[in-house]
Amino acid sequence: EVQLVESGGGLVQPGRSLRLSCAASGFIFDDYAMHWVRQAPGKGLEWVSSISWNSDTIYYADSVKGRFTISRDNAKNSLFLQMNSLRAEDTALYYCASSESLHGYFDYWGQGTLVTVSS
Amino acid sequence: QSVLTQPPSASGTPGQRVTISCSGSSSNIGSKTVNWYQQLPGTAPKLLIYSKNQRPSGVPDRFSGSKSGTSASLAISGLQSEDEADYYCAAWDDSLNGCVFGSGTKVTVL
Repeated sequence: EVQLVESGGGLVQPGRSLRLSCAASGFIFDDYAMHWVRQAPGKGLEWVSSISWNSDTIYYADSVKGRFTISRDNAKNSLFLQMNSLRAEDTALYYCASSESLHGYFDYWGQGTLVTVSS
Repeated sequence: QSVLTQPPSASGTPGQRVTISCSGSSSNIGSKTVNWYQQLPGTAPKLLIYSKNQRPSGVPDRFSGSKSGTSASLAISGLQSEDEADYYCAAWDDSLNGCVFGSGTKVTVL
């Protein structure tokens, strides 16, 4: 059974940093591209970042470019999102998702980890 | 403001057919495949339709997708109470170099 389990969320002050993790199991992790998608409270889905299977290709949404860094450790079946200079508008439920190709559909999703940016 | 435009809501009675539209541009829907996601209340999104009207295992054939030019649509035939959810279209955008989502459509079963 495919499982994606996010962790690392919490309450953080504006300007501070947070690192999210996503533990994958049930599939061959390094065969898949991975993504972060967020959802602000009561709002729709917003794509955040994507990384290819071998980390060669990385994309970011303009809203997080220069502040967030996506990475992965294929040996540990793990995906990460380093979030720096956090803002109130980054408050959201952060999902990790997998896809067979970098530009493809997101076939599996985790349950999300909540990030709240507030003083 | 979302790159892909969806109506905020749609509704129907049990058994009816409901259609949700998704409007984009040549850099996304016009040149890429459109995917649809269902988000039941309080849960994570789930892939509903992908590529050319393909359904993952377990998704009923009541759900179908289509595309014409820079617009796409999701149809739910034989609407059921368990179909009450938010539905999102999505596609890769070559100009933005990223995935773009629609604003979401809340389907209510009357």
